[in-house]
Amino acid sequence: GESVGLHLPTLSVQEGDNSIINCAYSNSASDYFIWYKQESGKGPQFIIDIRSNMDKRQGQRVTVLLNKTVKHLSLQIAATQPGDSAVYFCAENSNTGKLIFGQGTTLQVKP
Amino acid sequence: NAGVTQTPKFQVLKTGQSMTLQCAQDMNHEYMSWYRQDPGMGLRLIHYSVGAGITDQGEVPNGYNVSRSTTEDFPLRLLSAAPSQTSVYFCASKKPRGVNEKLFFGSGTQLSVL
Repeated sequence: GESVGLHLPTLSVQEGDNSIINCAYSNSASDYFIWYKQESGKGPQFIIDIRSNMDKRQGQRVTVLLNKTVKHLSLQIAATQPGDSAVYFCAENSNTGKLIFGQGTTLQVKP
Repeated sequence: NAGVTQTPKFQVLKTGQSMTLQCAQDMNHEYMSWYRQDPGMGLRLIHYSVGAGITDQGEVPNGYNVSRSTTEDFPLRLLSAAPSQTSVYFCASKKPRGVNEKLFFGSGTQLSVL
């Protein structure tokens, strides 16, 4: 069945360091992937997306990498800041058209 | 644009009570959906709609009803609330697949069923 999972429930990094959050997906037919950020008490906010015909996409301080061979997705945050502390979700848009979310990784930024 | 608006933000119900969670969007999105979020379980799809008059079930539809009479509104109804429905509920919308697939989320409704 379809599933999207993140490797680590919690990631703790020092302010200024780079963060890497990982995600594995199981549906090889998925053609679109999204990363969301959710701060406490708020709804998920879009960070960056990538389509399956790409391996890498960069935004402002964030980069998403897609490895279709091993069905792995990662989110890299450069120069992590306290405001980056949140729960991060990956989601895949399978051929059913519905977004399926992983369980989330909590990013803690230490000052 | 206000985006996706959910009301109420908080609600406490007794077992067996009914209520409707409201969701409205002003982005002319055809696709709307409801998710529930429980600790350690991510977001799970309850129901969704690809346009006015069309609804379908997601992963966890039992105990919930939806309707879509207009493009803007997508209410979620709990007919007889149960403690297992204690959760945070999010409404989300997007343009149809192939146009713009990002989901835009509301700020959530925290529901407690006693």
